[in-house]
Amino acid sequence: AQSVTQPDIHITVSEGASLELRCNYSYGATPYLFWYVQSPGQGLQLLLKYFSGDTLVQGIKGFEAEFKRSQSSFNLRKPSVHWSDAAEYFCAVLTGTASKLTFGTGTRLQVTL
Amino acid sequence: DSGVTQTPKHLITATGQRVTLRCSPRSGDLSVYWYQQSLDQGLQFLIQYYNGEERAKGNILERFSAQQFPDLHSELNLSSLELGDSALYFCASSGKDSTDTQYFGPGTRLTVL
Repeated sequence: AQSVTQPDIHITVSEGASLELRCNYSYGATPYLFWYVQSPGQGLQLLLKYFSGDTLVQGIKGFEAEFKRSQSSFNLRKPSVHWSDAAEYFCAVLTGTASKLTFGTGTRLQVTL
Repeated sequence: DSGVTQTPKHLITATGQRVTLRCSPRSGDLSVYWYQQSLDQGLQFLIQYYNGEERAKGNILERFSAQQFPDLHSELNLSSLELGDSALYFCASSGKDSTDTQYFGPGTRLTVL
């Protein structure tokens, strides 16, 4: 069965520092991968997605993610974090046949000034 | 703003009661998904409807049911409510392809007392 692991429950970074959030997936076929962000009291906003092609995908708000099949990973990165990036970040895999998203447990990002 | 609307924003009710959550998908989207976000279970897929028909089912309790109407809005009905049903319920919508991006609404926060 498909699954997503986000090993870091909580990460704190200083504003202006770089960020990497880890995501590992387990899925037999070619995965469709997503990163969503949830700000307090808000819904989920799509940051970026990977379906095929270039393994480095660019998203909104200056985020990017790299798909590494050999490591079953889809890590999210940002070169310079802003205080407004403080939120919870969810990695998800889409199972093509069922069209459902399977989410990781999320990583809460705290940004210190 | 994702274009997906959900009402109500908050709902407080008592155990044993029944509630209905409503979702209007983005204009043109045929698929509607329901997800539950709780502290102990995380984000879980409940059910998907496509153009009025149930397409996929996840970890949805028998006390819960959903439907999608001809105008494509959807309702999630939760009955015989228990304390453990307290959660954030998200609706998402997508286009006709199973791999289309799912756009999430702001959610309905249900509190069962």
